[in-house]
Amino acid sequence: GQNIDQPTEMTATEGAIVQINCTYQTSGFNGLFWYQQHAGEAPTFLSYNVLDGLEEKGRFSSFLSRSKGYSYLLLKELQMKDSASYLCAALDSNYQLIWGAGTKLIIKP
Amino acid sequence: GAVVSQHPSWVICKSGTSVKIECRSLDFQATTMFWYRQFPKQSLMLMATSNEGSKATYEQGVEKDKFLINHASLTLSTLTVTSAHPEDSSFYICSARDVSSSYNEQFFGPGTRLTVL
Repeated sequence: GQNIDQPTEMTATEGAIVQINCTYQTSGFNGLFWYQQHAGEAPTFLSYNVLDGLEEKGRFSSFLSRSKGYSYLLLKELQMKDSASYLCAALDSNYQLIWGAGTKLIIKP
Repeated sequence: GAVVSQHPSWVICKSGTSVKIECRSLDFQATTMFWYRQFPKQSLMLMATSNEGSKATYEQGVEKDKFLINHASLTLSTLTVTSAHPEDSSFYICSARDVSSSYNEQFFGPGTRLTVL
């Protein structure tokens, strides 16, 4: 079956760094997305990885290891507005997104 | 970036009535749109994949006669919740796939919060 695993909740301090991990098992693989979702709002795109390695975009970076079926999202210089759920989603062989349950990130001052 | 709109943003209706939700891609053509449902503190659940000019493909466990999907044009898909009941109360989100995007990115609408009394 297809499955995405990510932690349910994480807590971090304002100004610090946090890494949210995601492991996936899918029928075929055409890339991995990270989305941010604030409560009551739709998801917004953060990153896409299809090749192994690290993609950096400002304070956010995303890493992929295809051989390990593993990705992480790294958030630096955390701000209070980063409090949200972070969704990991893998694109399978049919180009359908398989979603993780999301990681709720709580930022404390 | 690509923009997807949804209407209405929120709706309250009585049990037994039908509700129509519209999803529009504003600045690109979307041959494929997706309808998701999200219950509180849960992840997105794909309900159906909507392809322009053809019948929607429903996920297992989703009643196609209850959740009617129409994708009549390249920029509009509609979801009609027929004979809504309180258990249908949820956050409904559509997304549209931009085939011109280098990685088939899905762009999400802002969502529609449905409350059935």
